[in-house]
Amino acid sequence: SQQGEEDPQALSIQEGENATMNCSYKTSINNLQWYRQNSGRGLVHLILIRSNEREKHSGRLRVTLDTSKKSSSLLITASRAADTASYFCATDGGGSNYKLTFGKGTLLTVNP
Amino acid sequence: GAVVSQHPSRVICKSGTSVKIECRSLDFQATTMFWYRQFPKQSLMLMATSNEGSKATYEQGVEKDKFLINHASLTLSTLTVTSAHPEDSSFYICSARFMGATEAFFGQGTRLTVV
Repeated sequence: SQQGEEDPQALSIQEGENATMNCSYKTSINNLQWYRQNSGRGLVHLILIRSNEREKHSGRLRVTLDTSKKSSSLLITASRAADTASYFCATDGGGSNYKLTFGKGTLLTVNP
Repeated sequence: GAVVSQHPSRVICKSGTSVKIECRSLDFQATTMFWYRQFPKQSLMLMATSNEGSKATYEQGVEKDKFLINHASLTLSTLTVTSAHPEDSSFYICSARFMGATEAFFGQGTRLTVV
């Protein structure tokens, strides 16, 4: 079942602006990850944040995690047209029965 | 990063036929592989999890006799859609994980169209 809920479902911005996407989940997690998917393609792993971390950076990406609110945000700074894609959060509960549960995704469109 | 290759990238088949999709980990041993299905503009739905050498674990609502999964080696898993129907048309994506890894690596996906 899908436990992640991203908002907004779609986001359209201009190049150079920042894009913020949010994700909420329902059960306890071990890790939360963000993936990117270009239309009709596979997923590319962007960043992972552990349940005991609150913020993480990777290049133009900034991820926050609030386990008390069961939510995460992905910030893409200085967006580019090439950032246009769908972005998904995925959670895993850890342990031997590892599996990723994906949110519904945010479609980001960056206009040149 | 680790590479997962999925083949074919797209396939068209006639109703009633079977289609096999391959998922290979190219530079690591995948102790676990996952198969997902994605409908247009929707998220990924986990179909099944397979561990090398053992039977796949299917998610609720997924017909195991229709979606046959084989994970015979540490680098290859196959998904066979048997007696395909137009409603099986979808985007199928595999991912693979090695023991102890915190992330799974995804294939490029297969667009299946049943006519």
